[in-house]
Amino acid sequence: AAGVIQSPRHLIKEKRETATLKCYPIPRHDTVYWYQQGPGQDPQFLISFYEKMQSDKGSIPDRFSAQQFSDYHSELNMSSLELGDSALYFCASSLGLAGWTDTQYFGPGTRLTVL
Amino acid sequence: GEDVEQSLFLSVREGDSSVINCTYTDSSSTYLYWYKQEPGAGLQLLTYIFSNMDMKQDQRLTVLLNKKDKHLSLRIADTQTGDSAIYFCAESGNNDYKLSFGAGTTVTVRA
Repeated sequence: AAGVIQSPRHLIKEKRETATLKCYPIPRHDTVYWYQQGPGQDPQFLISFYEKMQSDKGSIPDRFSAQQFSDYHSELNMSSLELGDSALYFCASSLGLAGWTDTQYFGPGTRLTVL
Repeated sequence: GEDVEQSLFLSVREGDSSVINCTYTDSSSTYLYWYKQEPGAGLQLLTYIFSNMDMKQDQRLTVLLNKKDKHLSLRIADTQTGDSAIYFCAESGNNDYKLSFGAGTTVTVRA
């Protein structure tokens, strides 16, 4: 079965640079969530989209922005990168309101390293 | 996370049962999940339970929910070396679908 696809899988950037992470949800899933997992930590919710509209917002820095496109893929844009942004970034997708449970299926993650 | 707590480590002998415990604070939690994360890998959904259920069994996995005490447990029967991983408990609310995770329990299976 098709899973959530994230690209790139690994990314190395310098401080103050920008990065763009991409997420392709499971086919027919219309909801996308972004999470950040720091080293040795639990995943923290950043932001979510349902039907191309932002549906919820968590502890996402102002330097980050995200959007969901007409084909339901999503991109997380990160600017003025800091060392503390080094983390594993997960995307998850779900059926959203179309399903009676909003079970989230996670992608493999993008490991971002800021030097 | 602050709202979900788990013990950090569990060591179990191969073939024995593992029990991972989790407590949560949000009484409006509607869905509770267990995810597995192997080293350097993503989060694999293992199972989930609705808040109006007490128990759910899925092959070697048994989830018990005590809603009164806000306590969730995951039992893995006949634990194998491939079960060594970090197990995250997570909860979401009725109108708030974002997941709040516990800190994760590192399960080590020894021969």
